[in-house]
Amino acid sequence: DAGVIQSPRHEVTEMGQEVTLRCKPISGHDYLFWYRQTMMRGLELLIYFNNNVPIDDSGMPEDRFSAKMPNASFSTLKIQPSEPRDSAVYFCASSATGFLAEAFFGQGTRLTVV
Amino acid sequence: DAKTTQPPSMDCAEGRAANLPCNHSTISGNEYVYWYRQIHSQGPQYIIHGLKNNETNEMASLIITEDRKSSTLILPHATLRDTAVYYCIAFLSGTYKYIFGTGTRLKVLA
Repeated sequence: DAGVIQSPRHEVTEMGQEVTLRCKPISGHDYLFWYRQTMMRGLELLIYFNNNVPIDDSGMPEDRFSAKMPNASFSTLKIQPSEPRDSAVYFCASSATGFLAEAFFGQGTRLTVV
Repeated sequence: DAKTTQPPSMDCAEGRAANLPCNHSTISGNEYVYWYRQIHSQGPQYIIHGLKNNETNEMASLIITEDRKSSTLILPHATLRDTAVYYCIAFLSGTYKYIFGTGTRLKVLA
């Protein structure tokens, strides 16, 4: 298995532009998580899905952020419009249903908004 | 979810055991203790988890105190590749809501 795949690995965009981050979870995993990591705030959980349905989006910072999971093998995190303070590394993770399942993380997308 | 407290940084000599403490004094009876680590620029990696009993796997050992208010992750023979940030997480099984704290930055010294 290739693991959790995120794209792009690096993204540089101008303030005000729309940014879309993509994630392919491990096949068969029912849970998908989006995290954001910065030096100031560490690793923050933004949202997570179960069977493609958003379960908890309380970590989404504001309405500029949205996440979708149209099917079991694909999810997007969109920022519109982007701002410099959105610069961070965004991680996607997935886990299987089951007792005490562990989360597998992707390599992350480093987003820079200038 | 219970709050966890970890020292911000630690050093360990290569080949020696690294003992990373975690305080989770508010943990409830149904909350498990998980450990992850993050090596520079990579996504976090699962290490081990436990509820009451001590646990061991190929990577590490987890020692949980009898009152469950604290735990220690032990890397028995630390190598330079174990240099990473180690996160202790307490969460309710079935919620799948992994909340990471600030972690302990472990530096293994040659």
